[in-house]
Amino acid sequence: QQPVQSPQAVILREGEDAVINCSSSKALYSVHWYRQKHGEAPVFLMILLKGGEQKGHDKISASFNEKKQQSSLYLTASQLSYSGTYFCGTEIKETSYDKVIFGPGTSLSVIP
Amino acid sequence: DSGVTQTPKHLITATGQRVTLRCSPRSGDLSVYWYQQSLDQGLQFLIQYYNGEERAKGNILERFSAQQFPDLHSELNLSSLELGDSALYFCASRASGTVSTEAFFGQGTRLTVV
Repeated sequence: QQPVQSPQAVILREGEDAVINCSSSKALYSVHWYRQKHGEAPVFLMILLKGGEQKGHDKISASFNEKKQQSSLYLTASQLSYSGTYFCGTEIKETSYDKVIFGPGTSLSVIP
Repeated sequence: DSGVTQTPKHLITATGQRVTLRCSPRSGDLSVYWYQQSLDQGLQFLIQYYNGEERAKGNILERFSAQQFPDLHSELNLSSLELGDSALYFCASRASGTVSTEAFFGQGTRLTVV
């Protein structure tokens, strides 16, 4: 049931863009995105509820393709503060919609 | 500050011992989740409680148990501890309803088993 994330890790220079993908083998009710700095608590970025929905704030946005059971997180013009591990969390339709299962994470490092 | 409080922040204990981790959810949140994060690993879902009742279970070992009390705080009990249980344990809370909402994470309890 754990979603799959790709890539596992990415290194960017400041100002570059990145895309992190999340996919599930099960039909999804929602997709959540969180960022975690080393040793700290995960911090909520956004949640997507409907197929085709796109959300964003600042230069971080995400899309949700319900038919393909996939979501992508877009980071544009990356800043040093974007460094961290990004987790997608999914709620599967066939189980309790309250249960959020996280992917293994994508490590993002932004260098000057 | 997420509003979720976890205590203690750090815990060092010997193998075979038993410990209790505590979580106070955000005011008004009925759902509490426990996750385990081993060194540089992902967030493994352990268990969820909703308004005092167990709602969903993940990969939680039989040596582990949890409960949610009437005041909605939750405790995760880990017994017969092994070296491999060393990890960061996060609690998260959510306001439950008919629409999916964000989860707020506490700062975690770092457990070291020696």
